[in-house]
Amino acid sequence: AQSVSQHNHHVILSEAASLELGCNYSYGGTVNLFWYVQYPGQHLQLLLKYFSGDPLVKGIKGFEAEFIKSKFSFNLRKPSVQWSDTAEYFCAVNARYGGSQGNLIFGKGTKLSVKP
Amino acid sequence: EAQVTQNPRYLITVTGKKLTVTCSQNMNHEYMSWYRQDPGLGLRQIYYSMNVEVTDKGDVPEGYKVSRKEKRNFPLILESPSPNQTSLYFCASSSTQRGSYEQYFGPGTRLTVT
Repeated sequence: AQSVSQHNHHVILSEAASLELGCNYSYGGTVNLFWYVQYPGQHLQLLLKYFSGDPLVKGIKGFEAEFIKSKFSFNLRKPSVQWSDTAEYFCAVNARYGGSQGNLIFGKGTKLSVKP
Repeated sequence: EAQVTQNPRYLITVTGKKLTVTCSQNMNHEYMSWYRQDPGLGLRQIYYSMNVEVTDKGDVPEGYKVSRKEKRNFPLILESPSPNQTSLYFCASSSTQRGSYEQYFGPGTRLTVT
C-alpha cells in the first residue's frame, strides 16, 4: 500500500529563515505529488503540484518543491519565511494509471510556526 | 464559482443520534472523498467514491456510511455517533481525467459528539 511520510511534526523558525520540509512516499510507479497548506481555522488549499516535466515546481507565495524520483521525495522549500507562513503543511501523493488517478494519500502534516 | 460546500459547518450532537453531513460540488468531478482531521494524526480518509454508485472504504470507515446517488453529492452519515467521532471533517473532490488531478476541499465541518 502507498504511504506518505513527513519527517517533521513541528518546525519553529524565525522570520527570514529558510525552510525545507521533507516528504517521502512509497510507490514505485508514476505519481502525482501535492503540497497543501492549512492556515489556522481554514480548509486545505493547494500550494503546488507536480504531474510531470521539470522536477522543480514553483507554487504560490514563493514556495517550491523538488521531485527526486530516485529518493521518492518531494521536499518543500522556501528561501525566506514570513510570519504569515505559520500553518500546517501536508504532502499528498496519488498513483497514476494511464490517464486516470488512484486515491490521494496524505502525510500526517508538519506544523510550521514562524516567530516574528 | 467552482467550489465544494459542506453543511453544517458546526454541529454539536449527542451519542446515538443519527446525523448526516452533506457535501456538494459544482465542478462535475467524478471523484469525491471524506476525511477526518485530528490533532497529531493528520488527515485520514474515511470513504471515497470514484464515480456515481461507486464507493469504497478508506483508512477509517468504521461508524460511517456514505452514498453517491448523484455525481454532485456525497453525504456522510453517522448512524449512531460516538464521542470518538468528534473531529473536523473535510469533503474533497477532483476530476479523474488526464491533467486534472488536483483535489478541491470543502470548508470543513466541526463535529462534537457528547
